[in-house]
Formats: sequence, structure tokens, C-alpha cells
Amino acid sequence: AQSVTQLDSQVPVFEEAPVELRCNYSSSVSVYLFWYVQYPNQGLQLLLKYLSGSTLVKGINGFEAEFNKSQTSFHLRKPSVHISDTAEYFCAVSAPRAGTALIFGKGTTLSVSS
Amino acid sequence: GAVVSQHPSRVICKSGTSVKIECRSLDFQATTMFWYRQFPKKSLMLMATSNEGSKATYEQGVEKDKFLINHASLTLSTLTVTSAHPEDSSFYICSARLGGANTEAFFGQGTRLTVV
Repeated sequence: AQSVTQLDSQVPVFEEAPVELRCNYSSSVSVYLFWYVQYPNQGLQLLLKYLSGSTLVKGINGFEAEFNKSQTSFHLRKPSVHISDTAEYFCAVSAPRAGTALIFGKGTTLSVSS
Repeated sequence: GAVVSQHPSRVICKSGTSVKIECRSLDFQATTMFWYRQFPKKSLMLMATSNEGSKATYEQGVEKDKFLINHASLTLSTLTVTSAHPEDSSFYICSARLGGANTEAFFGQGTRLTVV
């Protein structure tokens, strides 16, 4: 079974500052890793995903994440945030098997202020 | 990207009644769909995996008789909350993946259920 731990429930930052949202996972098998963003009362939108290959993954809206197998981490970063980045961010894992659901962390609320 | 449509977006129902939520994959066929429940300030909790043409697989602790799932076609899965109670009030989200495990999951817009 897989599990995900998002270490920070809330991250407040000022506009144009860098941000890192932390995610650690646990699994007895290799996994696929995802970051999703959720705006209020909406569904989830994929930011980026790691399947294999390069450990540095670039996504939409200027976000990137780095897969670290030894530390079982997949932290999300952005060098300069905007007010519009204020949202809930979820890290998720999936077993490398068709028909399996994504398992989510508890989410991190990113609050960007001016 | 692929589109998953969920309806209704909001519903208010009286305690004791049943509510049906629809989840449609608009531009792809989904043999498997997933239903999640999201509590305020909480993560998405997987409720069940919906398989087209067969019975859904429920996660531990989810009442099968309360949350009826039907996946009658490759583009439609429904979740019926039966005999709803105020504690069933929540945000329900459906999801579908395009194909294999290396594909992203697409999510519906969610349904805000309020039981009064």
C-alpha cells in the first residue's frame, strides 16, 4: 500500500517569494508521483507528474518538482509566486498498475499575500 | 486534456432522501472511475473504484448500501447517496484515468452535497 505525507498544512508567503511544498511518500513498490492544485469549490488540476527518467520535473504555471528516491520525497517548488497561486496543493501517488486510484496527501494550503 | 463532467455541482436535500451524482467522461472512454470524498480542510478520501459492467470496489469503512455506485457505460458512473443524513454532507469528486497507470487522473468539478 502507498501513503503520502505532506509535511506542511499551511504555507504563507509573500508575492514574488520562492516557495517549497514538501511531500514524502511511502511504498513497497515503485510509484508514480503527482502534484495537483485545487481552487475553491473546484476539482483538481494536474500541475506535474513523475513517472520515470529525469528526477526534475517541470509543470504548468512555473512549478517544478524533484523526485528523490533515497529520501522518498517529491517536493514542489516555484521560484516566484503570484497571488493567483493561492490554492490547495495535493501530492499523490499511484502504483504502477492500470486501474489504480491516486492516493492523496492531506494537502497544503498556499496563501500568497502582497 | 480529457474532460470529466460531474453533475450537479451543488445539491441540497432533506434528511432521509436519496441523491444521485453523475460523472461523465466527455471525450474518452473510462473503464474505471474513482469516487472521492473531501471533508473541509482535509484530503481526498478514496471511497470506491467503479468498474464498467461490474461491481464497484469499496474502500474499508465505506458503506456499500449507503453509497451506491453504478458504472453502466464506458462514459458514465453514478454515485447515489441513499437515506442521506447531515453527516453525509460533503464535497464529492469523481475521477477517471485515460488508460494505464502512467496516465494522469482527470477530475470532475465536484459536487457539494448539503443534507438538511
